[in-house]
Amino acid sequence: AQKITQTQPGMFVQEKEAVTLDCTYDTSDPSYGLFWYKQPSSGEMIFLIYQGSYDQQNATEGRYSLNFQKARKSANLVISASQLGDSAMYFCAMREVNYGGSQGNLIFGKGTKLSVKP
Amino acid sequence: DAGITQSPRHKVTETGTPVTLRCHQTENHRYMYWYRQDPGHGLRLIHYSYGVKDTDKGEVSDGYSVSRSKTEDFLLTLESATSSQTSVYFCAINQLAGSGEQYFGPGTRLTVT
Repeated sequence: AQKITQTQPGMFVQEKEAVTLDCTYDTSDPSYGLFWYKQPSSGEMIFLIYQGSYDQQNATEGRYSLNFQKARKSANLVISASQLGDSAMYFCAMREVNYGGSQGNLIFGKGTKLSVKP
Repeated sequence: DAGITQSPRHKVTETGTPVTLRCHQTENHRYMYWYRQDPGHGLRLIHYSYGVKDTDKGEVSDGYSVSRSKTEDFLLTLESATSSQTSVYFCAINQLAGSGEQYFGPGTRLTVT
């Protein structure tokens, strides 16, 4: 069964507007971590933001925030005030702590390609 | 900068030839990973290592082997390359502090003709 689902293969957003990239996950591990990565056209993988399953507050990093809804098993990435440089692939990933240990590998979704229009 | 380099960055090889990709890290990380990235699949784990000479298989390990004789180097070998192994290969390490996020090398684009 797919553990990380990103249902939006591609999205467009107008520059300076906010955009939400969807991510749902499936796990029976009570302890897990959720990550978002950005991959620009140059190809490198850039870590953006992390949310732990026991964190009480939604994570924020600058213009990035993670809308964590534990009961719905969703971890959507919100980018505020989009910039042209935000155009990239975005990957949601999960680490199951108990099944993989604190150093367990990441399970990735298939990604969402975001295009920011001027 | 997590100090991860990969070599080569690009390689074209013929079906049936052996290929070795190298991942080198400079910060003494214990855990290292090899992923492959293909369109429509995201990143999938091939093998990982949790110490010198300690390795284990990931989701898509068939046709690949790995070795780790030194902390800083993690080698991925395709014993007999096939066209289905045409992909972009990423090495990663685990950040021990904070959330334990993984940091990735720049990737190796491998084409098997």
